[in-house]
Amino acid sequence: ETGVTQSPTHLIKTRGQQVTLRCSSQSGHNTVSWYQQALGQGPQFIFQYYREEENGRGNFPPRFSGLQFPNYSSELNVNALELDDSALYLCASSLKVSTDTQYFGPGTRLTVL
Amino acid sequence: QQQVKQSPQSLIVQKGGISIINCAYENTAFDYFPWYQQFPGKGPALLIAIRPDVSEKKEGRFTISFNKSAKQFSLHIMDSQPGDSATYFCAASKEGGSEKLVFGKGTKLTVNP
Repeated sequence: ETGVTQSPTHLIKTRGQQVTLRCSSQSGHNTVSWYQQALGQGPQFIFQYYREEENGRGNFPPRFSGLQFPNYSSELNVNALELDDSALYLCASSLKVSTDTQYFGPGTRLTVL
Repeated sequence: QQQVKQSPQSLIVQKGGISIINCAYENTAFDYFPWYQQFPGKGPALLIAIRPDVSEKKEGRFTISFNKSAKQFSLHIMDSQPGDSATYFCAASKEGGSEKLVFGKGTKLTVNP
């Protein structure tokens, strides 16, 4: 059984650029959630995808968008990058059942200059 | 509005001692309370979780105590080891573990040899 994987590991962008982060969910999982973790803070929920549709969104602007593919992998896109977008972006996968839990990937460290 | 408050922010314990981290929540709709352990440069890893129908759950050296009336829960690490040195996050969600997690700000635990 493979765990959650994310790519790339690190990324450096400049303000105003766009970025795409990728996540492969754990085998058998159909739900992917994305979180932003600023330095020294707890993760904050961005949004969740279930069966290729957005299924809940946190307090993030529309320039944060995502996709889920038929194989349940997912992308997080951020447009018009701002300095405050610098953070660790975490992907978590799970089954869409109340008895399951979320398993996190190692994250992508995004630095915006 | 911080829905899950975690304390202390940092904790230093001697090897063999007991580490105690506390969390308080506001939303009575929360029904799933996990604790995650995060090492530097890694994603959070599920340590132990509890649902409000029980007051305590133990797994090895890790115990969650849950007080529904006070809306508080805590993590106890018995016989703390240097390898336990990490940042610990409490979290809460509604409708089970596959849904949006609301995290505390984290506790950095250092276990001295």
